[in-house]
Amino acid sequence: KQEVTQIPAALSVPEGENLVLNCSFTDSAIYNLQWFRQDPGKGLTSLLLIQSSQREQTSGRLNASLDKSSGRSTLYIAASQPGDSATYLCAVDSNTGKLIFGQGTTLQVKP
Amino acid sequence: SQTIHQWPATLVQPVGSPLSLECTVEGTSNPNLYWYRQAAGRGLQLLFYSVGIGQISSEVPQNLSASRPQDRQFILSSKKLLLSDSGFYLCAWSVDAGGPQHFGDGTRLSIL
Repeated sequence: KQEVTQIPAALSVPEGENLVLNCSFTDSAIYNLQWFRQDPGKGLTSLLLIQSSQREQTSGRLNASLDKSSGRSTLYIAASQPGDSATYLCAVDSNTGKLIFGQGTTLQVKP
Repeated sequence: SQTIHQWPATLVQPVGSPLSLECTVEGTSNPNLYWYRQAAGRGLQLLFYSVGIGQISSEVPQNLSASRPQDRQFILSSKKLLLSDSGFYLCAWSVDAGGPQHFGDGTRLSIL
């Protein structure tokens, strides 16, 4: 049974810092991995999707990497801003469309 | 462009009352549709998914049911709500299995 873990559960950094959020999964037979952002009381916004054949994806200040063999993904946020404060969720898909989510990392970027 | 709508945004219901949450998608045809629940301390859990009209798969046994009466309409229902049904309900769509999923703004359901 696939399990997804995100560490740390919460993170507080000063504005301008580069930071890394971690996601690990127990079954390496995945089709893709998605990173989402969730603002309080809101739905999820898709940030990046990495196919199993890819090593990384980039969008602006965000870079997501995938090491399928070790069951790990990281989300790198460069030059963090207060507007980046949110909960970040990773989810894996085994090509069934059934996403398995981690518990999320709640990020606070202090001005 | 594609959009997804969920309503209501918030709902307070007494135990034992019925429930109907609606989700519609615009700008695409024959999407895969999903219902998730986000309960406090439990993360996001897939409840139902549908690959076409009338085709519903349930992921976990529960007090809820789902229906897809039209191609881009997905409804989450219950005949009698339980306290444990409280949570944040999210609808999502994708072009196909394995593709990126796009989420609605969610419905906050509180059971009294």
